[in-house]
Amino acid sequence: QSVLTQPPSVSGAPGQRVTISCTGSSSNIGAGYDVHWYQQLPGTAPKLLIYGGGNRPSGVPDRFSGSKSGTSASLAITGPQAEDEADYYCQSYDSSLSASVFGGGTTLTVL
Amino acid sequence: QVQLVQSGAEVKKPGASVKVSCKASGYTFTSYDITWVRQAPGQGLEWMGWISGYNGKTNYAQKLQGRVTVTTDTSTSTAYMELRSLRSDDTAVYYCARGGASSGYDNWGQGTLVTVSS
Repeated sequence: QSVLTQPPSVSGAPGQRVTISCTGSSSNIGAGYDVHWYQQLPGTAPKLLIYGGGNRPSGVPDRFSGSKSGTSASLAITGPQAEDEADYYCQSYDSSLSASVFGGGTTLTVL
Repeated sequence: QVQLVQSGAEVKKPGASVKVSCKASGYTFTSYDITWVRQAPGQGLEWMGWISGYNGKTNYAQKLQGRVTVTTDTSTSTAYMELRSLRSDDTAVYYCARGGASSGYDNWGQGTLVTVSS
């Protein structure tokens, strides 16, 4: 199992707000390390979606936002679009492992 | 624009080695780290290791220690990942990405499929 825990799947309609959680521990998110989020469309390489917890790279729509509290982080998608159907991964650094760690990934289905 | 272009797909027998390349362009190679991530079929992302673009320092995932080596050739702005003693569960798409754990990985290669089969 992954060091960072994500729900396997989430779903939502275009008018809704969908959140994906990423639960860690005191050696990674809780230790203050930044959380980054990636979007992976089917058959493609991952793409950086949110960095430093809540920053969007140029070109990422503002319906995507990130937050962090304690040992957890969240990715929110406000009004998901059909093109947002993808796998989403959180990533941080773990001081106990001295390694970068990923969540297990969450598949978003747009209803 | 920043580009990371990886070498082509490989088919290897168990026990063999594979070396995947990742040629960078569009930025100063030594100013950024390079990270390697792999993804087994139908599975999630797995961090493999990292090399500092500044001084060549490396760090590897504990489960791959002793089997993986990441290097760079600054003269050609190319990073390499070599994995030895291949097993069937090493079958995966291997990605290089620019950046480190603290900054996030802001650009990715297209991926290289490595198939390990007898």
